[in-house]
Amino acid sequence: EDKVVQSPLSLVVHEGDTVTLNCSYEVTNFRSLLWYKQEKKAPTFLFMLTSSGIEKKSGRLSSILDKKELFSILNITATQTGDSAVYLCAVSSDAGNMLTFGGGTRLMVKP
Amino acid sequence: ETGVTQTPRHLVMGMTNKKSLKCEQHLGHNAMYWYKQSAKKPLELMFVYNFKEQTENNSVPSRFSPECPNSSHLFLHLHTLQPEDSALYLCASSQDRVEQYFGPGTRLTVT
Repeated sequence: EDKVVQSPLSLVVHEGDTVTLNCSYEVTNFRSLLWYKQEKKAPTFLFMLTSSGIEKKSGRLSSILDKKELFSILNITATQTGDSAVYLCAVSSDAGNMLTFGGGTRLMVKP
Repeated sequence: ETGVTQTPRHLVMGMTNKKSLKCEQHLGHNAMYWYKQSAKKPLELMFVYNFKEQTENNSVPSRFSPECPNSSHLFLHLHTLQPEDSALYLCASSQDRVEQYFGPGTRLTVT
């Protein structure tokens, strides 16, 4: 059974701090790893990673995948209160369209 | 209208009621999904439809009945639910096997 574990479960930081969120996975026939941000509504797509060692970057957010060690990290630099959300990691396999989600990391950024 | 829409946004129903959740995607995608999100649990995939054909049913109780009349619309028919079915029900769509785009969800409370 595919498994995704995220850590920490929750995190409280102050504006301007840098945070690193972790996602480890076990999946048969891995295809991709995705990061989503969920505020009070629908998860919104951040990144999709398929290759090891290639950093994806969008503004203050960046992510990288290690397919040998089976994990990914999501970095957020110079955090802002608007970054407060639950960050979800999900993996897909070649078996089909399914995504297996981790439990999420709840990030709170204080002013 | 853009993206993925869901109606209603909130629903309160008794255990003997019958109701339906509706999802519509305006992205031209060919796959649609139902997820359940309960408090403190990872997103759980319920059903997957590819080109209107159901390809995944993750051991969901028969009191949940999906319907996909075309590639843009997805329904979840509910009957004789239990209080533990109270959750956020999220619809998503994707084109082939790339990232999924989520709707805003229906917050369901079963009394």
